[in-house]
Amino acid sequence: SQQGEEDPQALSIQEGENATMNCSYKTSINNLQWYRQNSGRGLVHLILIRSNEREKHSGRLRVTLDTSKKSSSLLITASRAADTASYFCATVLNTPLVFGKGTRLSVIA
Amino acid sequence: GAGVSQSPSNKVTEKGKDVELRCDPISGHTALYWYRQRLGQGLEFLIYFQGNSAPDKSGLPSDRFSAERTGESVSTLTIQRTQQEDSAVYLCASSPDAAGWPTGELFFGEGSRLTVL
Repeated sequence: SQQGEEDPQALSIQEGENATMNCSYKTSINNLQWYRQNSGRGLVHLILIRSNEREKHSGRLRVTLDTSKKSSSLLITASRAADTASYFCATVLNTPLVFGKGTRLSVIA
Repeated sequence: GAGVSQSPSNKVTEKGKDVELRCDPISGHTALYWYRQRLGQGLEFLIYFQGNSAPDKSGLPSDRFSAERTGESVSTLTIQRTQQEDSAVYLCASSPDAAGWPTGELFFGEGSRLTVL
């Protein structure tokens, strides 16, 4: 069964706007990771946030983690058409990485 | 190699046939994973290798599915007597973790798209 649940399932925005995706999970975690997938092929790791961290930045990406609410958010600032992809959160504890169903982001030029 | 390599990239087979999917992980990566992704869905964990051993086979959907890894390198996922519900993209990933449960990032291949007619 899948642990993470992304919200929304799909998001459509204009180029230049910010995109926010949320992830909720059910159990304790060691860390939470976000991945990107283009066109249903391989996933690319974006960012990892550990359970003792609350916020992390990488370029135009900002990730927050609230372990009390078992939730995380991924913010992409100043979105570009090339950001169009599916975004997945994945949680790690004493199991292999467990992925959610993803958010499909469409950035319209 | 520079990245995780999977073959074939696309496979069309008839129901009842056996298929083998191959994964070449990044050189030196000790952990290797197989996931399945049905159209429009998330990733479903199948099996994980640490070295040549598979500590967790809990995700294999049925006894028609098996996997092996040799030389702490190449892995093969075999699906026997394929069914239409086996149609999916099969993704392989590797990570450098040498001990315990891998906790770091996974490096994915481009996947093998299987279509069972």
